[in-house]
Amino acid sequence: AQSVTQLDSQVPVFEEAPVELRCNYSSSVSVYLFWYVQYPNQGLQLLLKYLSGSTLVKGINGFEAEFNKSQTSFHLRKPSVHISDTAEYFCAVSYNFNKFYFGSGTKLNVKP
Amino acid sequence: GAVVSQHPSRVICKSGTSVKIECRSLDFQATTMFWYRQFPKKSLMLMATSNEGSKATYEQGVEKDKFLINHASLTLSTLTVTSAHPEDSSFYICSASSGGASTDTQYFGPGTRLTVL
Repeated sequence: AQSVTQLDSQVPVFEEAPVELRCNYSSSVSVYLFWYVQYPNQGLQLLLKYLSGSTLVKGINGFEAEFNKSQTSFHLRKPSVHISDTAEYFCAVSYNFNKFYFGSGTKLNVKP
Repeated sequence: GAVVSQHPSRVICKSGTSVKIECRSLDFQATTMFWYRQFPKKSLMLMATSNEGSKATYEQGVEKDKFLINHASLTLSTLTVTSAHPEDSSFYICSASSGGASTDTQYFGPGTRLTVL
């Protein structure tokens, strides 16, 4: 069975600072990996996804994530955050696109 | 981008009544729709997967007679919480997939907050 762990429930950071949101997963089979962002009062939006190929994946809004198979991680990073990046971020895995397993979310709070 | 709407965004009902939540894909045909439930500070829990014109597939532990799902068209799926009780209070989220080359991408609705008194 798959499970997804986002250890940090909240991450406070100052504007223009770098940030890393952690995601670890457990699975006995190969998985596809996703990061979604949820702004207040809005639905989840896809930030980026890893299906195959290069382990470094670039997404929208300057975010990127690196798939590390040996560490079963898919951490999300951004070199310089903006106030507008304040939102909740969800990591998800799937192995057949019929079922997605989500982490509990990380609230990113960017301070001026 | 693809847009999914949910209606209502918030609903408060009395215990014992039934509540229907609609999920619509506004600018694409959704061959598959998913219903999730989100508890405070917890991850989204998949409740069921529905394909247009067929019966929904429920996850283990989800009561199919309590959470009725209908996917009657390629743009509309409904979740009906029957005989709601306070423990059914939660945030319900739907998502839709258009299939084909976009099978790996789900488009999420903004969610519905259900409060059962």
